[in-house]
Amino acid sequence: EVQLVQSGAEVKKPGESLKISCQGSDYTFSNYWLGWVRQMPGKGLEWMGSIYPGDSDTRYSPSFQGQVTLSADKSISTAYLHWKSLQASDTAIFYCARRPWGSSSWYFDVWGRGTLVTVSS
Amino acid sequence: QSALTQPASVSGSPGQSITISCTGTSSDIGAYNYVSWYQQHPGKAPNLMISGVSDRPSGVSNRFSGSKSGNTASLTISGLQTEDEADYYCSSYTTTSTYVFGSGTRVTVL
Repeated sequence: EVQLVQSGAEVKKPGESLKISCQGSDYTFSNYWLGWVRQMPGKGLEWMGSIYPGDSDTRYSPSFQGQVTLSADKSISTAYLHWKSLQASDTAIFYCARRPWGSSSWYFDVWGRGTLVTVSS
Repeated sequence: QSALTQPASVSGSPGQSITISCTGTSSDIGAYNYVSWYQQHPGKAPNLMISGVSDRPSGVSNRFSGSKSGNTASLTISGLQTEDEADYYCSSYTTTSTYVFGSGTRVTVL
């Protein structure tokens, strides 16, 4: 079964750095774009950006460009979402999601369970 | 890129049909047939219900159907069931090579 397994919940202080992960299984991880989606408490879904693990090509939402960094290590089928300096407003659940292969497949078919990040002093 | 516009809530009785609208622009919904819909139960991850405007993934009930006209997409749930009570989000690929999600609709089964 194709799965995306995300790292566990994090509690951080403002100004701290953080890297959360998303590991794919049962598919060729490097051949599929992986997206990251933010959901702030009680709010809707927001696309942050996507990465192609095969060559680490990345695309960012203008809203998140410069605020986060996407990376991937295809050798261990894992993608990462990184913050250099967290703010309280980064408190949210972050989902990784796979984009299926295909030139017309502009959607996400498999989702991780999400990682809750809480930033509080 | 502003979120696509969805009604905040839609409700219906068991067995009824409901339709959720999703309004965008000529730069997203109106540009391509790349509209998808996701169901999210409380505390759970989103789940793909419709892709490519009207394609149903394997395992999704045929009570769910999608359509599009101009800059507005729609999700119809027929034969409403209690398990359909959830939040629903539309999404579209855009002309700037980004994705945009809708504001979300809470479906309540009366």
